[in-house]
Amino acid sequence: AQSVTQLDSQVPVFEEAPVELRCNYSSSVSVYLFWYVQYPNQGLQLLLKYLSGSTLVKGINGFEAEFNKSQTSFHLRKPSVHISDTAEYFCAVSGLIQGAQKLVFGQGTRLTINP
Amino acid sequence: NAGVTQTPKFRVLKTGQSMTLLCAQDMNHEYMYWYRQDPGMGLRLIHYSVGEGTTAKGEVPDGYNVSRLKKQNFLLGLESAAPSQTSVYFCASRTFSANEQFFGPGTRLTVL
Repeated sequence: AQSVTQLDSQVPVFEEAPVELRCNYSSSVSVYLFWYVQYPNQGLQLLLKYLSGSTLVKGINGFEAEFNKSQTSFHLRKPSVHISDTAEYFCAVSGLIQGAQKLVFGQGTRLTINP
Repeated sequence: NAGVTQTPKFRVLKTGQSMTLLCAQDMNHEYMYWYRQDPGMGLRLIHYSVGEGTTAKGEVPDGYNVSRLKKQNFLLGLESAAPSQTSVYFCASRTFSANEQFFGPGTRLTVL
C-alpha cells in the first residue's frame, strides 16, 4: 500500500526566510509525486510534480522539490518566503491501486509567514 | 473554460436529511474523483469513476453513493446525513494520459 507522511503539521517562519516542508512516502512500485497548495477557503492548486527525469523539480511561485529515492522523500523548499505563501501544503503520491491511478495525500502542513 | 465546478458551495443539513453534490468539468476528462477533507487528515478518496457509467469505491465510501451518467458530471449523494459527514468535499478530474488532477473549489457541508 502507498502512504504519505508530512512530518510537520505546522511550520511558522518569518518573511524572507527559507523554508522546507518535509514529505516522506512509502510505495512498492514506481510513483509520481506531487505538491499541492491550498490557500484559505480555496481548492487545491498544483505547485509542482515529479514524474521522471531530473530529481530537482521547479514549480510555481519559486518553490522547488527534490525527489530522493533512497530516502523515499520529496521535500518542498523555497529560499525566501512571502506573506502570500501562507497556506496549507499537501504532498501526494500517485500510483496504480486496485487497477486505477489514484492519489494518496499526506495530512497537510500549515505554513504561516510572520512579518 | 471553467475547469472543475462544484455546486453548492455551502450547505447545512439536519441529521437524516439527504442531498446531492454536483461536480462538473468541461475538460473532457475521463477520470473523476470525490474526496473529503478533514482537519489533520488530508484528503481521503470517497469514490471515483474511470469513465461514463462506471464508479468504484475509494478509501471511505460508507454513507455515500455516486453516479456518472454523463462524462462531464459526477454526483455525490448522501442518503441519510450524519454529523460525521460534516466536512469539506472536493471533486477532481484528470485525463487518462496525465497524472495531474484538477480540483474544484470545494463544498463545505455541515450536518447538525
